[in-house]
Amino acid sequence: DAKTTQPNSMESNEEEPVHLPCNHSTISGTDYIHWYRQLPSQGPEYVIHGLTSNVNNRMASLAIAEDRKSSTLILHRATLRDAAVYYCIPEGNKIIFGKGTRLHILP
Amino acid sequence: NAGVTQTPKFQVLKTGQSMTLQCAQDMNHEYMSWYRQDPGMGLRLIHYSVGAGITDQGEVPNGYNVSRSTTEDFPLRLLSAAPSQTSVYFCASSYSGPRGGLTDTQYFGPGTRLTVL
Repeated sequence: DAKTTQPNSMESNEEEPVHLPCNHSTISGTDYIHWYRQLPSQGPEYVIHGLTSNVNNRMASLAIAEDRKSSTLILHRATLRDAAVYYCIPEGNKIIFGKGTRLHILP
Repeated sequence: NAGVTQTPKFQVLKTGQSMTLQCAQDMNHEYMSWYRQDPGMGLRLIHYSVGAGITDQGEVPNGYNVSRSTTEDFPLRLLSAAPSQTSVYFCASSYSGPRGGLTDTQYFGPGTRLTVL
């Protein structure tokens, strides 16, 4: 299963864009990249996923590198409610969460 | 749809006791899994199931048993509770599971907070 590397924590100001990076250099060619987030005291929730091209939904955008070895989750205008731990999860034989990136939003 | 439900929400056990954490989903999902999350840590996969009658081990299976007799239910059994099993337990389900591509969106339950004294 592909391993991931994410920053332990990041900080951003409210109403500014946030770019959360993830390296997944061992991902196989046909596996999707999924992003989840976990708000305080809650279970994880789905954010977005993609395969090769960039993806957008109402929550975020996902930019996937051409070689698929990395991806970036983009929150276009962060709010205080976006403070959470963000997990990047390549598909594999098992769905494995790493430690994720703890995102702090400054008012 | 109720989604993924877990019972109980909270539980306190003494060392050596056994208990079953319940998980049910009403979305006709084939894939179900159990995770534990220790304070300040990420989620670790305990066991998972790709369909009724099929289960497999995750990252940290020791001390836990599972079975999947129906599509809807995936109970997690602690055989002899230990303080090291104090954690928050999350159950999740998805339509097709790993390598499910577009259909592989995990839905998580609200969690069970377990304390073993």
